[in-house]
Amino acid sequence: GAVVSQHPSRVICKSGTSVKIECRSLDFQATTMFWYRQFPKKSLMLMATSNEGSKATYEQGVEKDKFLINHASLTLSTLTVTSAHPEDSSFYICSARDQVSSTDTQYFGPGTRLTVL
Amino acid sequence: QKEVEQNSGPLSVPEGAIASLNCTYSDRGSQSFFWYRQYSGKSPELIMSIYSNGDKEDGRFTAQLNKASQYVSLLIRDSQPSDSATYLCAVNGGNNRLAFGKGNQVVVIP
Repeated sequence: GAVVSQHPSRVICKSGTSVKIECRSLDFQATTMFWYRQFPKKSLMLMATSNEGSKATYEQGVEKDKFLINHASLTLSTLTVTSAHPEDSSFYICSARDQVSSTDTQYFGPGTRLTVL
Repeated sequence: QKEVEQNSGPLSVPEGAIASLNCTYSDRGSQSFFWYRQYSGKSPELIMSIYSNGDKEDGRFTAQLNKASQYVSLLIRDSQPSDSATYLCAVNGGNNRLAFGKGNQVVVIP
């Protein structure tokens, strides 16, 4: 159980385009999902907390107008990187909490590697 | 002071030996503690969660928590080459956000 999927796994795009990444909890419901970014040889950095049915909470320094988050259902959150630039190239990983479970464990998706040319 | 610190550099252990990883945290009110394993180019996968003081064993892995001293450790017994990865310590301070350490790279030498 506790499987989280992400799509696409890898994307290459031109500078200035927008890219949407989907995160799905496959076998549980998640009122809360999290979006992280990881640069090579660096630790995970939390970008935002995605709350089902409400606005996402962004970490300091993360532009909410550039990284649009939508959490329209209990199993799906999307991250859209708008007007992507080469500095946005990174490994984007989502995680989800199982709302039914009494624990607060976060389960991670497999990640999306974004390359902006 | 960083929220979660993993200070040790890369750890090389012979196959079959015990690998020991340590992690300290700053928020004394933290309630949940996790160890994740991350292979190069992959996302983290949960190895252990621990909530109470003491030891918790799962297969070859043992997590140890000492809230008074604010540290959590991970022991890997009978280390295998497949254990070669970066191990991330994560702490939930009660606001549903996980704070991660920078990770410790483990290399198991056959």
